[in-house]
Amino acid sequence: DAGVIQSPRHEVTEMGQEVTLRCKPISGHNSLFWYRQTMMRGLELLIYFNNNVPIDDSGMPEDRFSAKMPNASFSTLKIQPSEPRDSAVYFCASSFGDASRETQYFGPGTRLLVL
Amino acid sequence: AQTVTQSQPEMSVQEAETVTLSCTYDTSESNYYLFWYKQPPSRQMILVIRQEAYKQQNATENRFSVNFQKAAKSFSLKISDSQLGDTAMYFCAFMREEGAQKLVFGQGTRLTINP
Repeated sequence: DAGVIQSPRHEVTEMGQEVTLRCKPISGHNSLFWYRQTMMRGLELLIYFNNNVPIDDSGMPEDRFSAKMPNASFSTLKIQPSEPRDSAVYFCASSFGDASRETQYFGPGTRLLVL
Repeated sequence: AQTVTQSQPEMSVQEAETVTLSCTYDTSESNYYLFWYKQPPSRQMILVIRQEAYKQQNATENRFSVNFQKAAKSFSLKISDSQLGDTAMYFCAFMREEGAQKLVFGQGTRLTINP
């Protein structure tokens, strides 16, 4: 079975450019999560969706970050404009269920470097 | 807010030895979930084991087992007969039973298995 798919795997961009990260959750999963991993802050949740609806975006750092989930099989995380401090590994994860607290399965991550 | 603490930044053992990774957490809730994730050099986040707080029996998955001490808020991971492929960062994580479906991670323990 295909796991969570993320693209691109690596992204290098210059400060001020727009960056779009993409995620395809595991088929049948109805919750999707975006996490960010940095040396300073570790792993932290940015936003999560349930049934394509954003439920908690309290972790989104600022207005430069936005996320969408137009359908059950696709989500994007956009940074505009990007800054060097956005350099991190961004993970997408998915799970099935809400109240059942099912395990979250992670994608391979996108390593972003903003110069 | 919940916090997760991993007090061992790095550990190193010989192949075939048994190693225990420590994790403590802070919460006022009685029902919650605890996880151990493994992150090898590939950076993929892989679920190792999961424990529901309402279950008294410690979870086991082949060579991996946990020692869950609810009163002490402790959740250690034991790896038996360690293998070179166990070399990775290990993250302890907490999720509430109610409210936001959010994983709160510890800072991680870098485990090296030496031949």
